[in-house]
Amino acid sequence: DAGVIQSPRHEVTEMGQEVTLRCKPISGHNSLFWYRQTMMRGLELLIYFNNNVPIDDSGMPEDRFSAKMPNASFSTLKIQPSEPRDSAVYFCASSRGTGLELFFGSGTQLSVL
Amino acid sequence: GDSVTQMEGPVTLSEEAFLTINCTYTATGYPSLFWYVQYPGEGLQLLLKATKADDKGSNKGFEATYRKETTSFHLEKGSVQVSDSAVYFCALGGSQGNLIFGKGTKLSVKP
Repeated sequence: DAGVIQSPRHEVTEMGQEVTLRCKPISGHNSLFWYRQTMMRGLELLIYFNNNVPIDDSGMPEDRFSAKMPNASFSTLKIQPSEPRDSAVYFCASSRGTGLELFFGSGTQLSVL
Repeated sequence: GDSVTQMEGPVTLSEEAFLTINCTYTATGYPSLFWYVQYPGEGLQLLLKATKADDKGSNKGFEATYRKETTSFHLEKGSVQVSDSAVYFCALGGSQGNLIFGKGTKLSVKP
């Protein structure tokens, strides 16, 4: 199994630009999670989906952030417009069911200048 | 709401030293408890877990026991190696089906 695949691994952009992060979960997993990791705030849950439906998006910091899961094998996290304080590592994770082991991707290192 | 508190790092140890990383939790009911490890430049991966009180999770020489009476899940290893240098996260299974993580503890093991 290829594991959770995230792209890009690194993204450098300028303030105000749109950023799209992509995630392909493990086949057969029906829950997908987006986390953000920073030194100051640690690991924060942004949003998670179950069977492609958003269950809890209370962690999405503001309206500039949006996430979609159009099918069981693909999800995106979009930031528009991006700001320097969005700089962080963004992780996608998937699991088979809820409350079970999460499998993490390698993350996207985002730098907004 | 549910939360996890783990000891602040960084923790620096010499090879073969004993390791303890404290973790306590607040939750309704009896959630599953987890320890995840993150090596430099990588995502988190499950180290061990326990699903009910008095369960002991173990893997790669690491152990943690689910203590309901003290709401704790401390991570221990009898003899650490340089290769154990990483960030360790305690987590609990939330009532909404997500995982709630502590802030992480960075461990550095010196030869």
